[in-house]
Amino acid sequence: KAGVTQTPRYLIKTRGQQVTLSCSPISGHRSVSWYQQTPGQGLQFLFEYFSETQRNKGNFPGRFSGRQFSNSRSEMNVSTLELGDSALYLCASSPPSGGAYNEQFFGPGTRLTVL
Amino acid sequence: GESVGLHLPTLSVQEGDNSIINCAYSNSASDYFIWYKQESGKGPQFIIDIRSNMDKRQGQRVTVLLNKTVKHLSLQIAATQPGDSAVYFCAENSRSQGNLIFGKGTKLSVKP
Repeated sequence: KAGVTQTPRYLIKTRGQQVTLSCSPISGHRSVSWYQQTPGQGLQFLFEYFSETQRNKGNFPGRFSGRQFSNSRSEMNVSTLELGDSALYLCASSPPSGGAYNEQFFGPGTRLTVL
Repeated sequence: GESVGLHLPTLSVQEGDNSIINCAYSNSASDYFIWYKQESGKGPQFIIDIRSNMDKRQGQRVTVLLNKTVKHLSLQIAATQPGDSAVYFCAENSRSQGNLIFGKGTKLSVKP
């Protein structure tokens, strides 16, 4: 089974621009979560989507948004980019389960650099 | 706020030795914990998890210990190999939280 894929792998933008990142979960996975990883703050949760609905949201400004499509693929968008948005953006998908917690499988990430 | 932290940011061990990576968590309501390994240029990779109704769980060369009394989690790697060199993260979850909260990470360096 193919793993979680993220595109693009690397991106360079300038302040004020916007960016859209894409994530394709493992086949059959319906939950997709997004994280921001920086050296200073570590891995921080952005949001989670399940069946095209945002199920959970982290503590990030409204410039960060996302969506999920009917095929479970997800996109996240960052508008009005700031230098501090430079980070590795990770996507993780989880298999459907009757339990309370699911293992999350991570993609390789998109490295965003804001100049 | 709720947070998960690590005692040691870096750990250097000799090949063949055992490694112990520690993690402290602050949310006493957390009942699910995971250790992830992240190699350079890759996303985090699941290593092992443990639920709060257990205090020990073993995998292949890895053991996770959970001490709920002091809110402490550790990852033990037996016979550490150069391929174990990576950054290790602990993460916690709770029914009220709904998402994983990650620690800052510990870099493990294995000397040949």
